[in-house]
Amino acid sequence: AQSVTQPDARVTVSEGASLQLRCKYSYSATPYLFWYVQYPRQGLQMLLKYYSGDPVVQGVNGFEAEFSKSDSSFHLRKASVHWSDSAVYFCAVSEGTQVVGQLTFGSGTRLQVYA
Amino acid sequence: GPKVLQIPSHQIIDMGQMVTLNCDPVSNHLYFYWYKQILGQQMEFLVNFYNGKVMEKSKLFKDQFSVERPDGSYFTLKIQPTALEDSAVYFCASSLGEQYFGPGTRLTVL
Repeated sequence: AQSVTQPDARVTVSEGASLQLRCKYSYSATPYLFWYVQYPRQGLQMLLKYYSGDPVVQGVNGFEAEFSKSDSSFHLRKASVHWSDSAVYFCAVSEGTQVVGQLTFGSGTRLQVYA
Repeated sequence: GPKVLQIPSHQIIDMGQMVTLNCDPVSNHLYFYWYKQILGQQMEFLVNFYNGKVMEKSKLFKDQFSVERPDGSYFTLKIQPTALEDSAVYFCASSLGEQYFGPGTRLTVL
């Protein structure tokens, strides 16, 4: 069965520091990969997605992620975090071969940015 | 960006009662989803819906659950009867390709 692992439940960084949130997936083929962010009392917002091509994809608000087929990973990065980036981040994988298929989510990483 | 709305934001009911969770999807979207998140756990897929029919459902989508979009507007999840283990936050999503999520309805079954 397909699975998504986010090994870090919580990450704390200082404002201006760089960030990497880790995500590994288990799937027989290359799936569609996503990162979502959830702010308090709001729905999930998509940060970026990977379907194919260049393994480094750019998203909103300065986020990027790198797909690695050999490592089965899709880590999220940001060069310089801001306090407003504090939120819960979810990595997700789309089932099957269609973008509109069901999503399998990781358990989420809670990011706390302090001044 | 496009917004998905969910009504109500919080519902408290007694075990055995019926509950309907409402989702107002993005207006031109064709695919609709429900996900369930128990406190402290990851979000899990329940069901997706297209062209008036359930396309896929997970093992979490029990016989007591049903979905419909009766008037082409709200996409609803009905649970009848409810059980204690149904307490969770339920997220609706809609899609033409990428899924857009609502803020969730927190369901508490007493």
